[in-house]
Amino acid sequence: SQTIHQWPATLVQPVGSPLSLECTVEGTSNPNLYWYRQAAGRGLQLLFYSVGIGQISSEVPQNLSASRPQDRQFILSSKKLLLSDSGFYLCAWSLKGGGSYEQYFGPGTRLTVT
Amino acid sequence: AQTVTQSQPEMSVQEAETVTLSCTYDTSESDYYLFWYKQPPSRQMILVIRQEAYKQQNATENRFSVNFQKAAKSFSLKISDSQLGDAAMYFCAYRSAYGSARQLTFGSGTQLTVLP
Repeated sequence: SQTIHQWPATLVQPVGSPLSLECTVEGTSNPNLYWYRQAAGRGLQLLFYSVGIGQISSEVPQNLSASRPQDRQFILSSKKLLLSDSGFYLCAWSLKGGGSYEQYFGPGTRLTVT
Repeated sequence: AQTVTQSQPEMSVQEAETVTLSCTYDTSESDYYLFWYKQPPSRQMILVIRQEAYKQQNATENRFSVNFQKAAKSFSLKISDSQLGDAAMYFCAYRSAYGSARQLTFGSGTQLTVLP
């Protein structure tokens, strides 16, 4: 069966510090991968998605970036965090192709920028 | 671009009663998929039910069912025999049937409280 991991689970970082959040998927190959951010009490905002290694699409211009160095690894980064980067970050994967494929979500990372 | 609107930020229901959560969406596409996700206090996103736009029959999963009105672009979720474990944030989501990325567009969510 497929599983999705995210780490760390919780992170407290000062403003201006760098960020690296990691997401890995097991049990499937060549998935679509997604990064979402959820502000407190709000919906999910799509940040980045990837349909393959090295292929990253950005939905929201900001100081965050994403990379996919391996087929099942998706990394969210920042060189200098802002207070507004605080939130709950969710990674998700889905199968490719047609059909009503759902997205499967990881457990999330709670980021607090102080 | 597609948009998804959930006009009820909060709802409450008595245990064992029925509640309906509303969702409307805007799209110019004819083929798409709609989903309801549940996010309990653990923050884990869980798929509740899905609907293919080309199917007229409303989807049903045990106590959960949808009322899909394609012309009205409405996709409501009905929870029957509500249980305490149903308390969560519920998100409606849209996904196009076109393109390779298959990304979801989410509504802002409805916080459901189940009263004992």
